[in-house]
Amino acid sequence: GAGVSQSPSNKVTEKGKDVELRCDPISGHTALYWYRQRLGQGLEFLIYFQGNSAPDKSGLPSDRFSAERTGESVSTLTIQRTQQEDSAVYLCASSLMVRNTIYFGEGSWLTVV
Amino acid sequence: GESVGLHLPTLSVQEGDNSIINCAYSNSASDYFIWYKQESGKGPQFIIDIRSNMDKRQGQRVTVLLNKTVKHLSLQIAATQPGDSAVYFCAETLSGGSYIPTFGRGTSLIVHP
Repeated sequence: GAGVSQSPSNKVTEKGKDVELRCDPISGHTALYWYRQRLGQGLEFLIYFQGNSAPDKSGLPSDRFSAERTGESVSTLTIQRTQQEDSAVYLCASSLMVRNTIYFGEGSWLTVV
Repeated sequence: GESVGLHLPTLSVQEGDNSIINCAYSNSASDYFIWYKQESGKGPQFIIDIRSNMDKRQGQRVTVLLNKTVKHLSLQIAATQPGDSAVYFCAETLSGGSYIPTFGRGTSLIVHP
């Protein structure tokens, strides 16, 4: 498709398990963002990738969170040893370049039980 | 600290009325602003944006107004329809650094038929 694609769309995991969330940005988009959205809340910035530059990880809440991006394509957000407070929607977005319009995916809904 | 905020967390209107959603920002260096619409269970959808060198920008049934003097942003929706019911977020970005939009908490727009 032409939009940002995220998988899985829904994930239920047990506390303490690791999870991986995948994002396929719009083809050709150099910038990629991960945000977290707790129920009824706004969007909380996690990490930002721009081309081959070092990612901006300033929003990652703890060292249990990490993300990678291969070139200007797929990105994976990994949460290790999940906790109940990690339950949220994880949203990925991409833009053609810095300061261009940002387009979001539908999100990956994570529930930690 | 710097922040993006919304004056009204919930706005209820009748179908056909015009809606105005407000947003305040505190950093005069912010130079790009975006409005997003988020329907229940979906990712944020881009509505309209405006750069700081403009005061007004119009789209289809939507208008964004930017008042840099008082650091205020508004989204006007003409002839509001039930399909406009959603949470609306404004986001700001800062020049001179990483292009990472900062989102406010959001305003819930409820349109009554």
